[in-house]
Amino acid sequence: AQSVTQPDIHITVSEGASLELRCNYSYGATPYLFWYVQSPGQGLQLLLKYFSGDTLVQGIKGFEAEFKRSQSSFNLRKPSVHWSDAAEYFCAVGARDTGRRALTFGSGTRLQVQP
Amino acid sequence: DVKVTQSSRYLVKRTGEKVFLECVQDMDHENMFWYRQDPGLGLRLIYFSYDVKMKEKGDIPEGYSVSREKKERFSLILESASTNQTSMYLCASRDGQGLTEAFFGQGTRLTVV
Repeated sequence: AQSVTQPDIHITVSEGASLELRCNYSYGATPYLFWYVQSPGQGLQLLLKYFSGDTLVQGIKGFEAEFKRSQSSFNLRKPSVHWSDAAEYFCAVGARDTGRRALTFGSGTRLQVQP
Repeated sequence: DVKVTQSSRYLVKRTGEKVFLECVQDMDHENMFWYRQDPGLGLRLIYFSYDVKMKEKGDIPEGYSVSREKKERFSLILESASTNQTSMYLCASRDGQGLTEAFFGQGTRLTVV
């Protein structure tokens, strides 16, 4: 079975500082990987996705993520955080070959941005 | 743009009531999902459907059922609501065999009193 671990429940950064949110997955083959963002009271919006190819993936709002197979990680990064980035971030994994069509999500990381 | 619409943003129901949460998608997606979101637990899959009238249990199906009579519509049913079903419910849809991302509705915050 696939699983996702987001070890940081809550992160606080200053506006303009860099950001890295950690994600580790467990899956027997090469997974599909996603990062979603959820603003308060809203649904989830896709930030970026990795299916194959270049392991550094660019997304919306200036975010990027790097797939590292050797570490089973897919960490999300942003070089300079804006106050509007305050939200909850979810990493998710999708299966290529098990027939499970639903994404499996981590428990989320809540980002707080200080002025 | 893909749109997934949930019929209610907020609902308050009494213990023991039968509750219907409705979800509609406009992109002809085969797959539709209901997740439950609770603080510290992330999103947990309740049920999903891969075709009209077809459904499969997710990770936490107890106390819930679903209905998919039309391709665009997927309903979550709480047969007898309980206070431990107070939560945020998210509907999602996804195309084909899983080579795409999932698209989410805005969520329904259900409170059972």
